[in-house]
Amino acid sequence: EIVMTQSPDSLAMSLGERATINCKSSQSLYISGHNNYLAWYQQKAGQPPKLLLYWASTRESGVPDRFSGSGSGTDFTLTINSLQAEDVAVYYCQQYYNPPPTFGQGTRVEIK
Amino acid sequence: QITLKESGPTLVKATQTLTLTCTFSGFSLTSSGVGVGWIRQPPGKALESLAFIFWDDTKRYSPSLKNRLTIRKDTSKNQVVLTMTDMDPVDTATYFCTQSRESGHYPFQYWGQGSLVTVSS
Repeated sequence: EIVMTQSPDSLAMSLGERATINCKSSQSLYISGHNNYLAWYQQKAGQPPKLLLYWASTRESGVPDRFSGSGSGTDFTLTINSLQAEDVAVYYCQQYYNPPPTFGQGTRVEIK
Repeated sequence: QITLKESGPTLVKATQTLTLTCTFSGFSLTSSGVGVGWIRQPPGKALESLAFIFWDDTKRYSPSLKNRLTIRKDTSKNQVVLTMTDMDPVDTATYFCTQSRESGHYPFQYWGQGSLVTVSS
């Protein structure tokens, strides 16, 4: 089973600041000639997770462009540029390289 | 429009077997690569994949829970059923069903709203 580890567990930023979340996988999620099998989700209280990014950096339709993803292999980053009040949520990374997929432990983002 | 909805008991007793049903619409479980799976989330904790079943009846289980889980599909009813045996209070969680694609090598675009199951001792 691929283990996903996120850091930090939580962060508090001021409105308009940049938030950065890291995700590390226990094995490479990259397939040569294909892509990185890594997704990011946003989960607000009382709701199911919402897909934000997949293939590590492709935004899902309708996701604001302040959300971006980077990284390859085993190390990935979710960046939220210019943090908005509606971005308060828990964010999860997920690998879908090896089913069943596994998730990171989540990172809680709050407004300072 | 793709929708999924979980149904089942809200309360079970320890040692009992939990049976959850996911009823979906907007896609077919006979389409190549398509699957339906279950993910749970204990209160305040992280997401955990449980089991997935695919169009060709391939099944994928969480290694840590596979001895307790069974997943099956009923394509005529557009339903997927998950059973979990020997329930324990630590299994208290919201159980989500999701649509899967590409035989599991794709992220989850569609989720049900979730069903909270409480296990009493």
